[in-house]
Amino acid sequence: GQQLNQSPQSMFIQEGEDVSMNCTSSSIFNTWLWYKQDPGEGPVLLIALYKAGELTSNGRLTAQFGITRKDSFLNISASIPSDVGIYFCAGQDGETSGSRLTFGEGTQLTVNP
Amino acid sequence: GAVVSQHPSRVICKSGTSVKIECRSLDFQATTMFWYRQFPKQSLMLMATSNEGSKATYEQGVEKDKFLINHASLTLSTLTVTSAHPEDSSFYICSAGRLGSYNSPLHFGNGTRLTVT
Repeated sequence: GQQLNQSPQSMFIQEGEDVSMNCTSSSIFNTWLWYKQDPGEGPVLLIALYKAGELTSNGRLTAQFGITRKDSFLNISASIPSDVGIYFCAGQDGETSGSRLTFGEGTQLTVNP
Repeated sequence: GAVVSQHPSRVICKSGTSVKIECRSLDFQATTMFWYRQFPKQSLMLMATSNEGSKATYEQGVEKDKFLINHASLTLSTLTVTSAHPEDSSFYICSAGRLGSYNSPLHFGNGTRLTVT
């Protein structure tokens, strides 16, 4: 089956620093999604990417859909304490809302004030 | 924006009892909903795909008779954990996408923490 490798597994940074995490896949996805999950809550969508090569920003967050369709990265600039949480990448097989997601293992982000 | 509501948020039950978890799409219709299970410090693992008006599709290794799924309407899917045991204790999360929507991302409920004693 499809597998997503997400790295790094965890990060400890100082407030104000930039952060970068990425995901690679053994196969092609049509859509890449990035989610953030706080303890005891469901994942919240941060950015959705639909086209190979697409670069999309959402405030301090920037994500790119790799040109090969097998990878994606997420950057967070000028981190703040509320950025703490687990970040997951997810690849979607198809192009409609009925397509399943495959999740990466997650990146645990800790921001020290 | 799209909102997915999950209920209850927490449930504690005794071993051998059954527990029902509801997943609702609040402001959109979803023909397909997904049920995930998440153990501590791990990623989300897909359990089953819930299709409105038809049988759910279960992932390999997930017992369909233990995890009963009913998707009776375009806004509601339920997951029933039957004869729950302590090893079923986990965080269960549902997700849904807009009916017939192209390039619509999936939104998640807030999860249900199940503890079986």
